[in-house]
Parts: sequence; structure tokens; C-alpha cells
Amino acid sequence: KAGVTQTPRYLIKTRGQQVTLSCSPISGHRSVSWYQQTPGQGLQFLFEYFSETQRNKGNFPGRFSGRQFSNSRSEMNVSTLELGDSALYLCASSLGEVTFFGQGTRLTVV
Amino acid sequence: TQLLEQSPQFLSIQEGENLTVYCNSSSVFSSLQWYRQEPGEGPVLLVTVVTGGEVKKLKRLTFQFGDARKDSSLHITAAQPGDTGLYLCAGSGPLSGGSYIPTFGRGTSLIVHP
Repeated sequence: KAGVTQTPRYLIKTRGQQVTLSCSPISGHRSVSWYQQTPGQGLQFLFEYFSETQRNKGNFPGRFSGRQFSNSRSEMNVSTLELGDSALYLCASSLGEVTFFGQGTRLTVV
Repeated sequence: TQLLEQSPQFLSIQEGENLTVYCNSSSVFSSLQWYRQEPGEGPVLLVTVVTGGEVKKLKRLTFQFGDARKDSSLHITAAQPGDTGLYLCAGSGPLSGGSYIPTFGRGTSLIVHP
């Protein structure tokens, strides 16, 4: 059974640009969540999607958005990038209370 | 907001030593997960504990869930360099809408020297 797949693995963007990250969850998992991980803040929850609907949202500005498609694949978008958005972005798919993570996308904003 | 406190924050030990990592909260969780994360990679699920007082063993790793389901510990026996990584605990409790968004601790960074 394939795990959670995130693309791309690495990304370098310039301040002010926008970026889209992609995530394919484990087959059969309908819940997909996104997290931002930085050395200073640890793992912070961005949002969760379930059956194409945003079910929960963390405390991040509106520049961070996401969506989920009918096949459960999800995308996360960050607009007007800031230097502080540099982080490891992790996608997770869940079945009940168990959560599995992808390898992450390392985003560097210069 | 539920908070999970992990201690110690950093641990540097020699191969063969034993160690215990703690995860504490003032909130009750329906389940608790432990993950290990290597640099630049996503966290890998090690174990899920759901019953108060539960003990699970995974080779040299022993996980315990507190009786009140507010805390947990991870004990590693005879640590090896391959155990090096960031150990994260995450507590889950039902939220509105039926989701179980885990709350993560800040992690314990473990280095095992050969």
C-alpha cells in the first residue's frame, strides 16, 4: 500500500510569489491535513479537509489556503510568500485517530 | 487549546545507554501517538496507545500511556545510533465534525553517539 506522497520535495521561491504544493493520501483515507514545521515553532496545524470540505482550520493567515479533490488528493497554496514562510510543509492522511505523514515539501523563500 | 509538553528537549547519550522521554498534558486524550522524525523527512508513526495504563513494546522501545490518559512515556533500552532522531508525541481527541486532529508536542531531539 503506497504511503502519503507529496510533491515537489524541494522548492525555492522569491518573496511575493505564490506556491502550490500537492499531496496524495493513502488509498482509502478521506481526511487530509496540512502542517507547517519550523525549528522555532514545531509542528503547527494548518487545515484539514474531508470529502472535499475544509473541516478544521488552524491559526494561519488567509494567504494559506487549500482544497481537496474528489479522489481525496489535496493541494495547498500560499500566496504573497514571505521569508517567514520558509519551512517543511507536511501533508498527513488519517483514518480515524491514526495519522500518517508524507515526506514533506521543503520550501525556501528568498 | 490542548498542549503537550515533552521533556527533555534535547538528549545526547552514548550507544548502549537507556533513556526515557516524557510527554505530559493537563488534557485527557482518547489516544496518543509517538512518531520519530529524521532531518528533512516526515514523521514516521511508531505506535498508538488508546487505553489508560496501556504498555506497548516495539523491540527495544517501550511505550506507556498514563492511567488518566494525560501523559505518556517512551523508554529506549540499549540505545543505538540508528535511534537518533526527533521523537514527537501527539494526542488526539474528538473534535466537532468527527475529526481527530492531533496536538503535537515540540519533540525530544535524541542523538546517540557510537
